Amino acid sequence: EPEVTQTPSHQVTQMGQEVILRCVPISNHLYFYWYRQILGQKVEFLVSFYNNEISEKSEIFDDQFSVERPDGSNFTLKIRSTKLEDSAMYFCASSDMDSGNEQFFGPGTRLTVL
Amino acid sequence: DQQVKQNSPSLSVQEGRISILNCDYTNSMFDYFLWYKKYPAEGPTFLISISSIKDKNEDGRFTVFLNKSAKHLSLHIVPSQPGDSAVYFCAASGDGNQFYFGTGTSLTVIP
Repeated sequence: EPEVTQTPSHQVTQMGQEVILRCVPISNHLYFYWYRQILGQKVEFLVSFYNNEISEKSEIFDDQFSVERPDGSNFTLKIRSTKLEDSAMYFCASSDMDSGNEQFFGPGTRLTVL
Repeated sequence: DQQVKQNSPSLSVQEGRISILNCDYTNSMFDYFLWYKKYPAEGPTFLISISSIKDKNEDGRFTVFLNKSAKHLSLHIVPSQPGDSAVYFCAASGDGNQFYFGTGTSLTVIP
């Protein structure tokens, strides 16, 4: 069964450093998403991406964040200058249709900012 | 500002009995609702969904009920099995793009 994969599973970085979280969505999916979950809190939407551009983003997704689909298979989330409060579990998801189709989630990347 | 709320952080149920997980929302524009199940160290997996044109959707042991006037939905699992032990998130959307998640309810099914 196809699945969304994410690497690395755990990323530790120093405050102020740039990190790139990688995701490989399911191959025939066209819609891609990033979510995060701070420990003990709810899963929060960050951004959705379709046709090589951002289709929706939340207020969390500020100028520090960017997304890219560099090669047709990977979908990346970049945080330019990490802050302590960026420490969270980051989930990538993909779906094959907009609006109402189930999103398949990856296992997540745990980001720890020291 | 939490638009989707799951007020019970945990629930314990005997194997074979019914599990009822509840979810409330505040935004009347939400028209599509999903339940996800999440095991530790894994991403959420889709369980069942319902759109606002229906008040019930059933899939095997899982049934979701939607009460639009009360802005409330619930997930019923019957009979509950030990493998159902996980954290359950409800999520809601008004535009199909941005999904608002509740904080989750941790279900423990006791053998």
